[in-house]
Amino acid sequence: DVKVTQSSRYLVKRTGEKVFLECVQDMDHENMFWYRQDPGLGLRLIYFSYDVKMKEKGDIPEGYSVSREKKERFSLILESASTNQTSMYLCASSLFRGGETQYFGPGTRLLVL
Amino acid sequence: AQKVTQAQTEISVVEKEDVTLDCVYETRDTTYYLFWYKQPPSGELVFLIRRNSFDEQNEISGRYSWNFQKSTSSFNFTITASQVVDSAVYFCALSTTSGTYKYIFGTGTRLKVLA
Repeated sequence: DVKVTQSSRYLVKRTGEKVFLECVQDMDHENMFWYRQDPGLGLRLIYFSYDVKMKEKGDIPEGYSVSREKKERFSLILESASTNQTSMYLCASSLFRGGETQYFGPGTRLLVL
Repeated sequence: AQKVTQAQTEISVVEKEDVTLDCVYETRDTTYYLFWYKQPPSGELVFLIRRNSFDEQNEISGRYSWNFQKSTSSFNFTITASQVVDSAVYFCALSTTSGTYKYIFGTGTRLKVLA
């Protein structure tokens, strides 16, 4: 079974803090993704990576950066957290490019005060 | 442009009723894939099904069935004899192989199954 894990289920941070969200997959998948999920908006893609050290902006990259130093690990960084980044963050991975099934982690609920 | 529409925001049914969740998609690609995911209250999206554009056969898995119709660009999901454990948010998604790594998700349908 594919296993995608996220470093935290719940996080509370203060405005202006630097926040790191980590995601690890154990199935040697090429692609990894970060989404945020907000009520009524569904899942919106923040960044994705199709290889180590490679990254592409998604639909809402502003205020975020990512890092992929190892194939199995994809980190999302909030450089200076703001209250409008309070959300559910979901990490996913897939074997190859478009068309393959994405497998999701359990999500991180982030509250920025 | 690619788009997935789930017009039903929330559906409530009584246990044992059948329920159909609608999904309408838009794409100009001839090769594409459609997915359904379930998101229970715990938050994790659970993969249910993947269907490619060349396979229009309906699929049945236990109480779940999927109806793919290219003529109407729809990929509907039916739960037969619903149970309380089916209560969740269900997402339909689209992905193509035309060079993008993106997956397009619908906004989800919240299903409440009442005992």
